[in-house]
Amino acid sequence: AQRVTQPEKLLSVFKGAPVELKCNYSYSGSPELFWYVQYSRQRLQLLLRHISRESIKGFTADLNKGETSFHLKKPFAQEEDSAMYYCALSPRFSGGYNKLIFGAGTRLAVHP
Amino acid sequence: DVKVTQSSRYLVKRTGEKVFLECVQDMDHENMFWYRQDPGLGLRLIYFSYDVKMKEKGDIPEGYSVSREKKERFSLILESASTNQTSMYLCASSSLAGGSSYEQYFGPGTRLTVT
Repeated sequence: AQRVTQPEKLLSVFKGAPVELKCNYSYSGSPELFWYVQYSRQRLQLLLRHISRESIKGFTADLNKGETSFHLKKPFAQEEDSAMYYCALSPRFSGGYNKLIFGAGTRLAVHP
Repeated sequence: DVKVTQSSRYLVKRTGEKVFLECVQDMDHENMFWYRQDPGLGLRLIYFSYDVKMKEKGDIPEGYSVSREKKERFSLILESASTNQTSMYLCASSSLAGGSSYEQYFGPGTRLTVT
C-alpha cells in the first residue's frame, strides 16, 4: 500500500536551532516526493520536490531509498518558518494524473 | 500566477441539504482535484478529473460526487450533507504530467460546517 507517515504532529524549536521534519513512505516503485507548506491564513503551496535537488528558504530534503525517508531539514530555524508542513508522494508514471498521497502533516512552531 | 479560486471561504449547511462547492482555475490545467483536510489526517483525495467530463474516485469518494462540464471548473457535490462531512475542502489543479509529476496549485479552501 502507498502511504506517507509523518510521525510528529508538532515540532517545537527555538529560533536558530536546527530543524528536521521526518517523513517516511511506503511505495514499491520509484516515487516522486514533495514537501508542501501552509503558512497561517495562506493556501497550501509547494516548498520543494526531491527531483529538483534544490534548497528553498534554507530547507533541503534528501531522498533515502534505503530507509524510504524524505526528511526536511534546515540548519537554523526562523520564526517565519512556523507553518504546517506536509510530505507528499506521487507514484511515478501514474497515468498522467499526478495524484498526490499526503502525510498527516507536522506543525512547526519556532519560538523567539 | 496560477489562480485557483473557490466559491466560498465559509459555508454552514444543515444535515440532509445538497451542497455545491465550486472551484475555478485560470491556467488551462488538465487535472483538477478535490481534497478534504482534517487535523491529524492530512489531505485525503476525494475525486479528481483529468479532462472535461472525466472523473476518477480518490480515496474517500463516499457521499460525494463531482462535475466537470468545462475545463476550468470542477464542482464537488455533497448529495445529502452529514455532520461527518464538516471539514476544510481544498481544490487543486495541475498540468498534465506526461511521466513526471507537476506542482499542484491549491485554492484557499472552503470551511464547511454541517449542523
